Amino acid sequence: DQQVKQNSPSLSVQEGRISILNCDYTNSMFDYFLWYKKYPAEGPTFLISISSIKDKNEDGRFTVFLNKSAKHLSLHIVPSQPGDSAVYFCAASARMGTGANNLFFGTGTRLTVIP
Amino acid sequence: KAGVTQTPRYLIKTRGQQVTLSCSPISGHRSVSWYQQTPGQGLQFLFEYFSETQRNKGNFPGRFSGRQFSNSRSEMNVSTLELGDSALYLCASSSDRLNNEQFFGPGTRLTVL
Repeated sequence: DQQVKQNSPSLSVQEGRISILNCDYTNSMFDYFLWYKKYPAEGPTFLISISSIKDKNEDGRFTVFLNKSAKHLSLHIVPSQPGDSAVYFCAASARMGTGANNLFFGTGTRLTVIP
Repeated sequence: KAGVTQTPRYLIKTRGQQVTLSCSPISGHRSVSWYQQTPGQGLQFLFEYFSETQRNKGNFPGRFSGRQFSNSRSEMNVSTLELGDSALYLCASSSDRLNNEQFFGPGTRLTVL
């Protein structure tokens, strides 16, 4: 049972425009959410995270929004650059509730930024 | 700081064999987690080790096991390999602070023939 879902397997955006990647989750125990970026033949690279006590976290061109009532989060990249082209994974953990550190991942969205 | 390292990077085995993968976490990190990535299933949690103890385990058969040493380095073992075990095996380390990030290694690509 996939507890974290990324329903768009791919997304293409023009350079300079906004990229919006979406993620939904089902487990209300999740209290910490992360976005990772992955290039082929490399491990995922941490991008940005958000705790469930917040609804927005910003880091440079990357902003993550969390809507707990809808169990939805999104990653905004503005402006998008060709180097942002990669697979983006959404992940969640239920650290406070369970004390466990494992991450539940979505299946990823492949972002292509067109120059 | 050096990042998470995994060895070997690539491995080819045949069905029925067993394999051991190694992971060295970031210096100072005491938590090591293992994940399996396959095209159909994405990244799936295998287990986590902290201070040489398995702290958490995912939904994988007993053929998958691991251990952690006193220097926090970890090994993962898969016995009686099956074709479906072909995957990218990723190791991640974290400092175990509350709400911490996990930092991933490059992975070991295992192919079972």
